[in-house]
Amino acid sequence: AQTVTQSQPEMSVQEAETVTLSCTYDTSENNYYLFWYKQPPSRQMILVIRQEAYKQQNATENRFSVNFQKAAKSFSLKISDSQLGDTAMYFCAFILVSGGGADGLTFGKGTHLIIQP
Amino acid sequence: DTGVSQDPRHKITKRGQNVTFRCDPISEHNRLYWYRQTLGQGPEFLTYFQNEAQLEKSRLLSDRFSAERPKGSFSTLEIQRTEQGDSAMYLCASSAPGTSQRETQYFGPGTRLLVL
Repeated sequence: AQTVTQSQPEMSVQEAETVTLSCTYDTSENNYYLFWYKQPPSRQMILVIRQEAYKQQNATENRFSVNFQKAAKSFSLKISDSQLGDTAMYFCAFILVSGGGADGLTFGKGTHLIIQP
Repeated sequence: DTGVSQDPRHKITKRGQNVTFRCDPISEHNRLYWYRQTLGQGPEFLTYFQNEAQLEKSRLLSDRFSAERPKGSFSTLEIQRTEQGDSAMYLCASSAPGTSQRETQYFGPGTRLLVL
């Protein structure tokens, strides 16, 4: 079974700072996808960024980027120039390609990120 | 593009009652997922449909839980004989066909269930 671990229950940074959220995962499979989702206080889960395991290049989406270390099974999220609207729960998630979607996403417990004005 | 919608957004029920939640996926998304999220936890996968076929249901929490997607469009999740432990947020997600996008799931706003 796959597991996802987020070791930082809560983080707090000042607006405009850069923050990195950690995620590690465990799998014996080689082909999978990793995601970061954001869940603001309104609780709608929003996709932030996606990484295919077969791609060596780290994914980026505007102020959001990842550091994907496949050998170390690490997948951290970096938020640059943080904004008040980035305050939310952030979840790291994993899904196998071989399952065809039938395994569903496996989520970590989340990191509560607070951006201070 | 209309996102995933769920109805109702909130449901309060008494222990022992049956409840049903509805999910409408993004149009043309053939894959649909249900998750449960309890306070302070990440979502937990429950079941998965590809079109009208329920391809994974072993993760449903008990035989009191069932889901349908009769015409491959909207889906319903039913909980029979609710218990206080069923209180949670129930999330629905959908994903598009095609190998490049099928693993990327988009979530609805959820249905928050409170069992008294």
